[in-house]
Amino acid sequence: AQSVTQLDSQVPVFEEAPVELRCNYSSSVSVYLFWYVQYPNQGLQLLLKYLSGSTLVKGINGFEAEFNKSQTSFHLRKPSVHISDTAEYFCAVSDLISNDMRFGAGTRLTVKP
Amino acid sequence: DTAVSQTPKYLVTQMGNDKSIKCEQNLGHDTMYWYKQDSKKFLKIMFSYNNKELIINETVPNRFSPKSPDKAHLNLHINSLELGDSAVYFCASSQAHRGLGYTFGSGTRLTVV
Repeated sequence: AQSVTQLDSQVPVFEEAPVELRCNYSSSVSVYLFWYVQYPNQGLQLLLKYLSGSTLVKGINGFEAEFNKSQTSFHLRKPSVHISDTAEYFCAVSDLISNDMRFGAGTRLTVKP
Repeated sequence: DTAVSQTPKYLVTQMGNDKSIKCEQNLGHDTMYWYKQDSKKFLKIMFSYNNKELIINETVPNRFSPKSPDKAHLNLHINSLELGDSAVYFCASSQAHRGLGYTFGSGTRLTVV
């Protein structure tokens, strides 16, 4: 079975600063990787996903993530954050066979003015 | 047109009652899920249905029973509600082709008093 570890439960940053949200995964089989965002009192929205190919994937709202197979990581980055990026961010992994998706515990990103 | 819709959005009820949460998706997906999100934002899968067939049934009390009348609907019935059932419940759906991620509903906030 696969699992996901998000290394930071909370990340406070100032507006226009860069941010990185860290995610490591564990799996004995090949996986797909995802980042979701949850704004207050809303459901989860897909930010980006890695299936195969280029290890750098770009998503919505200026976010990007890099897949690193040797380090089993899939960190999320944004070069300059906005107040509106304040939300909970979830890293998730699903294996290629069952399509079951497992989520990390989430990282609360708070952008301060 | 809402892709995955859940009703009700809020549900406040007394201990011991029986309640249902409904979920419908209009995306043509053939797999649907129920997740529970606790107060610490941790997401835990409860059930997964593929074409009306139960695929995943995680360790969930028997008081929880999913029902899928067709592949566009997955309802969650909860008997004898307990205080610990208070959480946000999310419905999600996905396509058969692996790797496209899940589409989530906006959630049902259940409060047991």
